[in-house]
Amino acid sequence: QKEVEQNSGPLSVPEGAIASLNCTYSDRVSQSFFWYRQYSGKSPELIMSIYSNGDKEDGRFTAQLNKASQYVSLLIRDSQPSDSATYLCAVNGPGGSYIPTFGRGTSLIVHP
Amino acid sequence: NAGVTQTPKFRILKIGQSMTLQCTQDMNHNYMYWYRQDPGMGLKLIYYSVGAGITDKGEVPNGYNVSRSTTEDFPLRLELAAPSQTSVYFCASSYDLGQTYEQYFGPGTRLTVT
Repeated sequence: QKEVEQNSGPLSVPEGAIASLNCTYSDRVSQSFFWYRQYSGKSPELIMSIYSNGDKEDGRFTAQLNKASQYVSLLIRDSQPSDSATYLCAVNGPGGSYIPTFGRGTSLIVHP
Repeated sequence: NAGVTQTPKFRILKIGQSMTLQCTQDMNHNYMYWYRQDPGMGLKLIYYSVGAGITDKGEVPNGYNVSRSTTEDFPLRLELAAPSQTSVYFCASSYDLGQTYEQYFGPGTRLTVT
């Protein structure tokens, strides 16, 4: 059974710091990796996707993928209180797999 | 572009009642999904569809039914509601972008069964 593991947190960081969120997955042939942000009482919102080993940057967000270690992470630079949310990691299998496996999410709290 | 819309936003059902949760997307996405999310838990897939007329079960389909008569609509039917179906329900859609499937979620329906 495919598994996606995340530390549930909460991860608490001060405003302006770098928040580092981690995710491991069990299926070695996974190909697509996503980070969703979910504010309390709201629906998940896609913020990053990554498909190749290495880093992908988008504004204050950087996704990092290491397929050999089966590890994907999300870095949030200059964290703001508005970044406080639950971050869900999702992983899709090989080409043609349209059903993602979601982790349970990590709660991030950015305090002023 | 409204994206994925869901109705109703909130609903309280009595045990044994039935209802349909509506989901519509205007992005011409082939793939649609229904999830439930219990407090502090992750998303659990109930049903999914790869196109009009094609549906399949996810990991927690018992007590639910779906249909997909058009590309846009993917309603979820609850028959004989039970307290265990108290949850937040999210509909999502995605498309085949080079065999990657980024999902777009609706705002959710918060259902309470008492």
